[in-house]
Amino acid sequence: SQQGEEDPQALSIQEGENATMNCSYKTSINNLQWYRQNSGRGLVHLILIRSNEREKHSGRLRVTLDTSKKSSSLLITASRAADTASYFCATRRADSSYKLIFGSGTRLLVRP
Amino acid sequence: EAEVAQSPRYKITEKSQAVAFWCDPISGHATLYWYRQILGQGPELLVQFQDESVVDDSQLPKDRFSAERLKGVDSTLKIQPAELGDSAMYLCASSLAHNEQFFGPGTRLTVL
Repeated sequence: SQQGEEDPQALSIQEGENATMNCSYKTSINNLQWYRQNSGRGLVHLILIRSNEREKHSGRLRVTLDTSKKSSSLLITASRAADTASYFCATRRADSSYKLIFGSGTRLLVRP
Repeated sequence: EAEVAQSPRYKITEKSQAVAFWCDPISGHATLYWYRQILGQGPELLVQFQDESVVDDSQLPKDRFSAERLKGVDSTLKIQPAELGDSAMYLCASSLAHNEQFFGPGTRLTVL
């Protein structure tokens, strides 16, 4: 059972453009994390935002969190061909389970 | 840089056969996770270990799947007998605390 839903499911942009991906979730969370997965590989942690934070930056990444709407967005600025990958949001529930629940992902293609 | 190791990377088997996957987490990481990822979807947690103890196996099909982490270090996930629907990527991850998870490259299983 997956809690998160990413939108869009697929995104194709030109190199240099910005890419925005959205994530919605259902239950109260402790934190929300974004991961990247290159084709056929494992996932790589990108950024974590806690439930009491509204915005966080890391290099070309900007993440926002709106707990009232149960949604988050990931912005990649000045995209590069190497950013081509699938991006997943994952939520850590607010209960004691510490379970990380992944969404279905957004497949990003950055055209050179 | 320390990495999570998994083997084999690819496994092809016939249905009703037994398969086993191995994972060696990052040294010092007490928490180890096994995920199953079906093509086009996000990872789904199968089992979570804290040291050698199982803390969550609610999504593990226990009639055919088993997992162990005998000395609290490396871990084995077994499927017996394998079914066609088990074809997926099996990912292992480890973490020091209950936040960022570090993933291995995965084992892609094909059941014929």
